Amino acid sequence: EVQLVESGGGLVQPGGSLRLSCAASGFSFSTYEMNWVRQAPGKGLEWVSHISSSGSIIYYADSVKGRFTISRDNAKNSLYLQMNSLRAEDTAVYYCAKQLLDGFDFWGQGTMVTVSS
Amino acid sequence: DIQMTQSPSSVSASVGDRVTITCRASQGISNWLAWYQQKPGKAPKLLIYAASSLQSGVPSRFSGSGSGTDFTLTISSLQPEDFATYYCQQANSFPLTFGGGTKVEIK
Repeated sequence: EVQLVESGGGLVQPGGSLRLSCAASGFSFSTYEMNWVRQAPGKGLEWVSHISSSGSIIYYADSVKGRFTISRDNAKNSLYLQMNSLRAEDTAVYYCAKQLLDGFDFWGQGTMVTVSS
Repeated sequence: DIQMTQSPSSVSASVGDRVTITCRASQGISNWLAWYQQKPGKAPKLLIYAASSLQSGVPSRFSGSGSGTDFTLTISSLQPEDFATYYCQQANSFPLTFGGGTKVEIK
């Protein structure tokens, strides 16, 4: 059974940092591209970042470019999102999602990030 | 960036109704389109990929069509468990983008 379990969310002050993790199991993690998607309270879905299976190709949404860093450790079946210089508008549930061609076929349960003083 | 515009933003329907949701891309995306269903407090669930391919385990009352810029998600006979919010998403190019969502509510 495919499982994606996010962790690392919480309350942080504006300008602070957090590191999200996503532990994957039930599939060959190293062969799949992965993404982070977020959803602000009461709002729609926003794609955040993508990483290729090897980690060599990375993309970011303009809204997080230069502040967030995606990475993966295929030996540990884990995906990460380092978030720096956090802003109030980064407040959201953050999901990790496994990519299947043009769709995200499995999602984690999400981890809440709240940026507030 | 490719903008995805969904309509309507909400629809009221009854059990057994046929429901159609439209998604328009600001430029051609071939068939690089997926549809998701999301219920409150839950992660999205993939329904359709490649514009018209049904994801494994998804009931056949869901179908997708379209290519280029105009796409449609159809629920042929709405069931109680289908009341949710639906999103389209393009995967033609980065940044990946989602539509604004369509909330299907009970009439």
